[in-house]
Amino acid sequence: ILNVEQSPQSLHVQEGDSTNFTCSFPSSNFYALHWYRWETAKSPEALFVMTLNGDEKKKGRISATLNTKEGYSYLYIKGSQPEDSATYLCAFPKSYNTDKLIFGTGTRLQVFP
Amino acid sequence: DTAVSQTPKYLVTQMGNDKSIKCEQNLGHDTMYWYKQDSKKFLKIMFSYNNKELIINETVPNRFSPKSPDKAHLNLHINSLELGDSAVYFCASSLSRRSSYNEQFFGPGTRLTVL
Repeated sequence: ILNVEQSPQSLHVQEGDSTNFTCSFPSSNFYALHWYRWETAKSPEALFVMTLNGDEKKKGRISATLNTKEGYSYLYIKGSQPEDSATYLCAFPKSYNTDKLIFGTGTRLQVFP
Repeated sequence: DTAVSQTPKYLVTQMGNDKSIKCEQNLGHDTMYWYKQDSKKFLKIMFSYNNKELIINETVPNRFSPKSPDKAHLNLHINSLELGDSAVYFCASSLSRRSSYNEQFFGPGTRLTVL
């Protein structure tokens, strides 16, 4: 069984705080790791697709790192803003060269002004 | 311009009825998907189609039948609706199926409530 786990389940931070959360995945047979951002009442939106061990990707105040050997990825948000409030999902392809993604349950982030 | 659109957004119906949800993408993608968000909020893949051909068919009851009239459209028809079918259904698309690297673009979801 392929498990993708995310922690914490939810997070409440003050505006301006920096925060991070984790996605854990099987370290054997790594293919890629996807991060999605899902605002309430909207569609999940792709943030990053990470492919190489040691990868670091950045989009504005959001960045992600990848450690394929130990099977985790961190998502960091610097100086959180209320508009960052969303559920952040990671997803892992079930096998090589497939688009069949196994999603984690997400980390729900709430940023208070 | 909406990249992936679904209709309807909300669907309330009685047990035993047959209903359809429509999905359209204007991204020129080859592959389209249906996902179900279950009661634990997991997004689980149900089906994927590549250029009108069924590729992924997860363990989904036969009452669910996807239909792709062309590569820009993927509809989901559900027969004999049951209470347990109540969920949010998401359509998505991606450039091609033969890659673990292509991001998927999601529609806004259809909230189905079976009474």
